[in-house]
Amino acid sequence: DAGITQSPRHKVTETGTPVTLRCHQTENHRYMYWYRQDPGHGLRLIHYSYGVKDTDKGEVSDGYSVSRSKTEDFLLTLESATSSQTSVYFCAISPVPTGLNTEAFFGQGTRLTVV
Amino acid sequence: AQKITQTQPGMFVQEKEAVTLDCTYDTSDPSYGLFWYKQPSSGEMIFLIYQGSYDQQNATEGRYSLNFQKARKSANLVISASQLGDSAMYFCAMRVLVDEKLTFGTGTRLTIIP
Repeated sequence: DAGITQSPRHKVTETGTPVTLRCHQTENHRYMYWYRQDPGHGLRLIHYSYGVKDTDKGEVSDGYSVSRSKTEDFLLTLESATSSQTSVYFCAISPVPTGLNTEAFFGQGTRLTVV
Repeated sequence: AQKITQTQPGMFVQEKEAVTLDCTYDTSDPSYGLFWYKQPSSGEMIFLIYQGSYDQQNATEGRYSLNFQKARKSANLVISASQLGDSAMYFCAMRVLVDEKLTFGTGTRLTIIP
């Protein structure tokens, strides 16, 4: 199994508070991704990183920021959490594609509830 | 931008029967890869099978096969001889050559009936 760990696994927070989710990998993979999973929407990309300090937005990036100061860690921050950000968050990692068949490996997910 | 469409929110199938999960995609990039992932009730994402846009033959992995029809832009997952353990959410996803994003469909919840 790919070495990828998300923390925390569960969190309940209040509206308006900042929240940071951490994704840690031991595979030295270049690419890291944050997705959110909601019923009826599948997995939607929030942000991704293609190297240290290199990040880009996904389709649902509003209200989220990311940072990657070292290869192994990719942080997702909700600056001021809202109830619409209640979701399950997945981190994924991928090596530099040697072809299009390079799969992504997923963490176990973080269930975030904003009350 | 690429798009993945899964039109079956849920399916019920009798154990031991074959099942086809539909996936259509849209991209203007001629180089792309298609993936299927399984998500059991425990929540983890499990990679099942991959098909490249230039692959001449349909991909197979054990009981899983991918029915790739390029002209129709479809990449249906076929599970032969379904088992109770196949009950899960199934996601189709696509990656194109020009960027490194992996775009997912909305998923199909498959329930296998004993």
